[in-house]
Amino acid sequence: QVQLVQSGAEVKKPGASVKVSCKASGYTFTGYYMHWVRQAPGQGPEWMGVINTSDGTTSYAQKFQGRVTMTRDTSTSAVYMELSSPRSEDTAIYYCARGTASALYYFDYWGQGTLVTVSS
Amino acid sequence: DIVMTQSPDSLAVSLGERATFTCKSSQGVVYSSNNKNYLAWYQQKPGQPPKLLISWASTRESGVPDRFSGSGSGTDFTLTITSLQAEDVAVYYCQQYYTAPPTFGPGTKVDI
Repeated sequence: QVQLVQSGAEVKKPGASVKVSCKASGYTFTGYYMHWVRQAPGQGPEWMGVINTSDGTTSYAQKFQGRVTMTRDTSTSAVYMELSSPRSEDTAIYYCARGTASALYYFDYWGQGTLVTVSS
Repeated sequence: DIVMTQSPDSLAVSLGERATFTCKSSQGVVYSSNNKNYLAWYQQKPGQPPKLLISWASTRESGVPDRFSGSGSGTDFTLTITSLQAEDVAVYYCQQYYTAPPTFGPGTKVDI
């Protein structure tokens, strides 16, 4: 069965980058794009970007351009999302979510989420 | 970016009754080439990630009970839960995948 398992909660001071991992299993890793979606407390989800797990190419939401880096490791079926210079407004649950086979930008499986708290 | 709005913000429905809520997009999300609406609905329970319920505005995902149904086209969409069950208490989000960036609505919270 498809599983996306994310790394544990993080507490960061403003300005210290944070890196979240997502390990996939139960399917052919390179056959599906992986997205990152975040959700601030009490808010709807917000799409951050996507990585082509086959060739590593990425596309980021304009809001996060220059601050987010998504990478993948095909040997371990893992994707990573690094957010640099986080600020308090970046406090949120960060999810990896698999893009579907039929259309790129909706999501059939989600990780359990990683709470990132940015606080001085 | 396409802005998604949902109404109402919340609603309370008795067990066994029907729940209906709507989603609007700021521009159409249907491709003329295939006549498909690029609209999904998700259910999110407390402490859990969103779960995909419906894609293409009206196609239920495998394993989703048939009391959930989606309808609509263009810019106006509806999710209906017939005969609400206790386990349906959640926040429901619509999302367009017509164009990047994909965007979500603010959600409708359903309570008993």
